[in-house]
Amino acid sequence: DSGVTQTPKHLITATGQRVTLRCSPRSGDLSVYWYQQSLDQGLQFLIQYYNGEERAKGNILERFSAQQFPDLHSELNLSSLELGDSALYFCASSLGGGYNQPQHFGDGTRLSIL
Amino acid sequence: AQKITQTQPGMFVQEKEAVTLDCTYDTSDQSYGLFWYKQPSSGEMIFLIYQGSYDEQNATEGRYSLNFQKARKSANLVISASQLGDSAMYFCAMREANRDDKIIFGKGTRLHILP
Repeated sequence: DSGVTQTPKHLITATGQRVTLRCSPRSGDLSVYWYQQSLDQGLQFLIQYYNGEERAKGNILERFSAQQFPDLHSELNLSSLELGDSALYFCASSLGGGYNQPQHFGDGTRLSIL
Repeated sequence: AQKITQTQPGMFVQEKEAVTLDCTYDTSDQSYGLFWYKQPSSGEMIFLIYQGSYDEQNATEGRYSLNFQKARKSANLVISASQLGDSAMYFCAMREANRDDKIIFGKGTRLHILP
């Protein structure tokens, strides 16, 4: 158990819809990261928050947004969903943002778009 | 150019044998970290081992060790005495100090342990 909690584990929805994925980081971790894993693209970094503020942005679509709340949990919002958004979405956390900080991953949310 | 290269898409190894999973990386930074993660078929990502660019000794964690060859930009994972439960996807990853804080992952190696 990594200590990172992601809900829900599975999500099935239709094209055009909007969903929210939730992440609670490990106790004491200030950084939260979101990743998308798909068969064709592999693991792609989406966005990072550190202590409530956006720290780094990766290949995140404009239809996607995220935030980190004062209690440090984070939410990833996906809107106007397309078939290609079907993927495994991971949240990870680390103590700080340094390069020597391992990131610990949650079990992921499997999103299926019908 | 790919930052992380894992040249072995799949490997089959007999149980109890040692296995080496290859990883080469590309960076111009002096400060960086290298990581290995395991992803079983159940899907979760499990952190295995970390090696810092300034670490003079190879990292070890139980049956896992990292064969770090800085000049070759190589960070191979060695699993000793492989077990059936080691069957999984293995990802090599890197974080560079002078970039944003994202981790860059390789495409992974799927390891199959044969009984």
